[in-house]
Amino acid sequence: KNEVEQSPQNLTAQEGEFITINCSYSVGISALHWLQQHPGGGIVSLFMLSSGKKKHGRLIATINIQEKHSSLHITASHPRDSAVYICAVGGNQFYFGTGTSLTVIP
Amino acid sequence: GAGVSQSPRYKVAKRGQDVALRCDPISGHVSLFWYQQALGQGPEFLTYFQNEAQLDKSGLPSDRFFAERPEGSVSTLKIQRTQQEDSAVYLCASSLRTGSNSPLHFGNGTRLTVT
Repeated sequence: KNEVEQSPQNLTAQEGEFITINCSYSVGISALHWLQQHPGGGIVSLFMLSSGKKKHGRLIATINIQEKHSSLHITASHPRDSAVYICAVGGNQFYFGTGTSLTVIP
Repeated sequence: GAGVSQSPRYKVAKRGQDVALRCDPISGHVSLFWYQQALGQGPEFLTYFQNEAQLDKSGLPSDRFFAERPEGSVSTLKIQRTQQEDSAVYLCASSLRTGSNSPLHFGNGTRLTVT
């Protein structure tokens, strides 16, 4: 089942680069969540959005409801940004993407 | 502790054993979700509670899986007669309100290994 597709699956970037992770979904949603998961660690919610754009520090998330697409941008990437980024959509039952594994090299 | 707490953190079970995984959500959170995450995959929905009511259990992979939240707070996910394919991280998440318009708070998960 492919309710949520993320790209790329893996991403390696040099410190300081601008990073974009994409999420496309096929189900109707109330909101979309971007989550961050560190190796061996729990999942942290970064953003919850249902329209437009949100910004938190170096992170920016956008969503286009008509196109069923969202992007997560990281400006001035840093090695501590290395993690798996997961897109989740839905109502009471969430659908998750398989995640984008980001590695930022110093 | 203000976050979602799961126990045990790690569980090793022999094939055929029963296991019980516990989730303590954030106090007052109405919604509680259980997810199964295989290595290298995103979380897969198992079941959803609104207070004590189990509103959706469509993701439970077999009748060996059972979840309850009898008083609308702590939840237990029970797996009977464990199989090797049950090995995964089991994640619990809670949110203050119903629906997806409420931030999700995740526990650190229980890593189950069935040998």
